[in-house]
Amino acid sequence: ELKVEQNPLFLSMQEGKNYTIYCNYSTTSDRLYWYRQDPGKSLESLFVLLSNGAVKQEGRLMASLDTKARLSTLHITAAVHDLSATYFCAVGNFNKFYFGSGTKLNVKP
Amino acid sequence: DSGVTQTPKHLITATGQRVTLRCSPRSGDLSVYWYQQSLDQGLQFLIHYYNGEERAKGNILERFSAQQFPDLHSELNLSSLELGDSALYFCASSADPNYGYTFGSGTRLTVV
Repeated sequence: ELKVEQNPLFLSMQEGKNYTIYCNYSTTSDRLYWYRQDPGKSLESLFVLLSNGAVKQEGRLMASLDTKARLSTLHITAAVHDLSATYFCAVGNFNKFYFGSGTKLNVKP
Repeated sequence: DSGVTQTPKHLITATGQRVTLRCSPRSGDLSVYWYQQSLDQGLQFLIHYYNGEERAKGNILERFSAQQFPDLHSELNLSSLELGDSALYFCASSADPNYGYTFGSGTRLTVV
């Protein structure tokens, strides 16, 4: 079974700082996804990464994919409180995709 | 509104009972995926249906079953419920995985 590992699991940071969340996966996969989840809410799609070297940016978030290293990163630039949430990466193919454990981000004013 | 509709939003039931969770995918999406989210297990893939046919199974217990109907809505049936089945159950739909998956708002199941 495909294994997906995220780190860190918890991240507390000050507003204005930069940080990176890492997502490692165990076997070759077609696609990698990043999602955001607020407490008690649904999952919101952030990025879909389809190929080696793919980089996507939206606001203060930037995601990248290295399929050779089986690694994706989610970089947060100049964090703001509104980014506080749990971030998940997911890896898989058309039939099924597996989630990492999630990174709970708390941005302190 | 994501376009994926799940009902009911909340469900409280007793151990040993059976419940049915319903999911209507976004218009035009043929795939429905079911996930269970609990504090100790995280997000677990349960099952995937595509246009009425089962395509993949994950960590789905034998007490759980699902189906997708001709109108593409899907139902997840949970029977002989145990306390440990208490969780958020999400469905997601997709027309093309290259564009990602859209999740519903979930059904929170509490087994007492």
